[in-house]
Amino acid sequence: SQKIEQNSEALNIQEGKTATLTCNYTNYSPAYLQWYRQDPGRGPVFLLLIRENEKEKRKERLKVTFDTTLKQSLFHITASQPADSATYLCALAGNNRKLIWGLGTSLAVNP
Amino acid sequence: NAGVMQNPRHLVRRRGQEARLRCSPMKGHSHVYWYRQLPEEGLKFMVYLQKENIIDESGMPKERFSAEFPKEGPSILRIQQVVRGDSAAYFCASSPLGAGTDTQYFGPGTRLTVL
Repeated sequence: SQKIEQNSEALNIQEGKTATLTCNYTNYSPAYLQWYRQDPGRGPVFLLLIRENEKEKRKERLKVTFDTTLKQSLFHITASQPADSATYLCALAGNNRKLIWGLGTSLAVNP
Repeated sequence: NAGVMQNPRHLVRRRGQEARLRCSPMKGHSHVYWYRQLPEEGLKFMVYLQKENIIDESGMPKERFSAEFPKEGPSILRIQQVVRGDSAAYFCASSPLGAGTDTQYFGPGTRLTVL
């Protein structure tokens, strides 16, 4: 069955450093992959979408890569800030407009 | 443009009662999705609806749970005869008609507590 895996351990980094989160998937070839941010007690917020024919996408301090050979996406936050602390979710396009979600990786940026 | 709205934000029910969760999608969006999220767990897809149609309900328990998205008014997720295991955060998301991608816009969620 289709499966998404994200780092289960929380990531702790120092302010100003680059955070890198990983999303691996199996048994599927998605047309695109998305990253969302979720803060405690709130709904996920869409951040970036990258298509299968795109290697890299950037938005301000965010960068996403998509390697369809490795079946992996990397999500980078450069010059990280304490306000970036949240859980980051990876989701890939499934069938019938249904997204398949990872469990998320918790990021803590320490001042 | 108002975002996705859900109400109530918090709902407390006793075992055996009914819970009704409402979701108003963003203006211009005709696709609605319901998810359940338990503490320390990921988003679990429940059901995908378009106006007056259930497209995919593969994630929704066959008993006690139902969903609708009428021609007029919000989408409703209904849980009958609630049990303690139904306690969770329920999120609604919407996406535009005809969008080539499935970017979903989430509401703030309804936190259901069953006593």
